[in-house]
Amino acid sequence: GEDVEQSLFLSVREGDSSVINCTYTDSSSTYLYWYKQEPGAGLQLLTYIFSNMDMKQDQRLTVLLNKKDKHLSLRIADTQTGDSAIYFCAETLSSNTGKLIFGQGTTLQVKP
Amino acid sequence: DAMVIQNPRYQVTQFGKPVTLSCSQTLNHNVMYWYQQKSSQAPKLLFHYYDKDFNNEADTPDNFQSRRPNTSFCFLDIRSPGLGDTAMYLCATYLLGGPDEKLFFGSGTQLSVL
Repeated sequence: GEDVEQSLFLSVREGDSSVINCTYTDSSSTYLYWYKQEPGAGLQLLTYIFSNMDMKQDQRLTVLLNKKDKHLSLRIADTQTGDSAIYFCAETLSSNTGKLIFGQGTTLQVKP
Repeated sequence: DAMVIQNPRYQVTQFGKPVTLSCSQTLNHNVMYWYQQKSSQAPKLLFHYYDKDFNNEADTPDNFQSRRPNTSFCFLDIRSPGLGDTAMYLCATYLLGGPDEKLFFGSGTQLSVL
């Protein structure tokens, strides 16, 4: 079945790097996404990676994909207090019309 | 400019009183979704429209209905809201067959059932 799992909480100090991890079960995933959600707000797409890639970098964000282990990570360099939010990993399957399967979200707390 | 617009931003309703949430899009996307997100949980897909074709998820309660009168608008109707329906409701759009593999989300409607 389809399942996406994340650790629930991560705390870092401002200026440090944050690494948020995600595992998924469906090997037919075509795209994997990272969304950010601030309190009371909708979902903001941060970045996404196609399943035949193993890395994607976008400014402070680096996504690593290990397809063999079905492991996805998001690294945020020089983490700022404004990065405090919930981060959701999600996958979409080739058999679906763009339907996203979300993980339960990782709360990132950035301490000054 | 916002491309997926949800109204209202906050909605309070009474137990059992029907409520309608709305979503509009300026992207001309052929797929529109409704997700329910309860506090501290992942968003859960309720249903989606691919053009006019309605696709219900197997575990979506019958209490939840949807209408898509045209490409731009999609409504979520909750016929008899219960306390457990308090949640953020997120609308999203997607262009199936398009070059961009991204869903676009609205800001959500926070529904409180009292």
